[in-house]
Amino acid sequence: GAGVSQTPSNKVTEKGKYVELRCDPISGHTALYWYRQSLGQGPEFLIYFQGTGAADDSGLPNDRFFAVRPEGSVSTLKIQRTERGDSAVYLCASSLTPGLVGDTQYFGPGTRLTVL
Amino acid sequence: GESVGLHLPTLSVQEGDNSIINCAYSNSASDYFIWYKQESGKGPQFIIDIRSNMDKRQGQRVTVLLNKTVKHLSLQIAATQPGDSAVYFCAESHGNQFYFGTGTSLTVIP
Repeated sequence: GAGVSQTPSNKVTEKGKYVELRCDPISGHTALYWYRQSLGQGPEFLIYFQGTGAADDSGLPNDRFFAVRPEGSVSTLKIQRTERGDSAVYLCASSLTPGLVGDTQYFGPGTRLTVL
Repeated sequence: GESVGLHLPTLSVQEGDNSIINCAYSNSASDYFIWYKQESGKGPQFIIDIRSNMDKRQGQRVTVLLNKTVKHLSLQIAATQPGDSAVYFCAESHGNQFYFGTGTSLTVIP
């Protein structure tokens, strides 16, 4: 596609529920990143995929958060037992040549998650 | 961990004036830097980048300056326009991870 797309654009859920957020990266980009952005803050790294595997998941805050990328393209971020503190904008980015200096990440519009 | 910070959280400029947004970074091993623009309700949009082996790079109406001695990065926007109003983030990279500052909100006064 022309850019990174994310669905849904907005998600409202209740505390304790399970949610899935989807990211469709730029075609041909091998790397995919998930970030979380709280109001007034910069994006905070969560997890990075190189192909199908999670190359770095050090940013995931706890084991309620999990992400998959089974075919090396679309990725799903899964949050179990959501808490009010999980409310944020979840951003996805993709890049073409991860690990090379000058590899630029291109971001999607984000999913705004609100946990009531 | 990394620490990327911006000197001014808000900046207001008159339309047509030049804008300068500053950023400090802490990891001397960072080798790539990017400026992003983020408008309300949208994801960050790439503006310009610079590698650590350079000290200046110019784009269309934008210039990025890198001073590795003091670990400082700046974004200059020439002839600022109302459409430039947004939050601007600098990001530093070492390896596969990018670290973002908290952002500077730029408001252009018509």
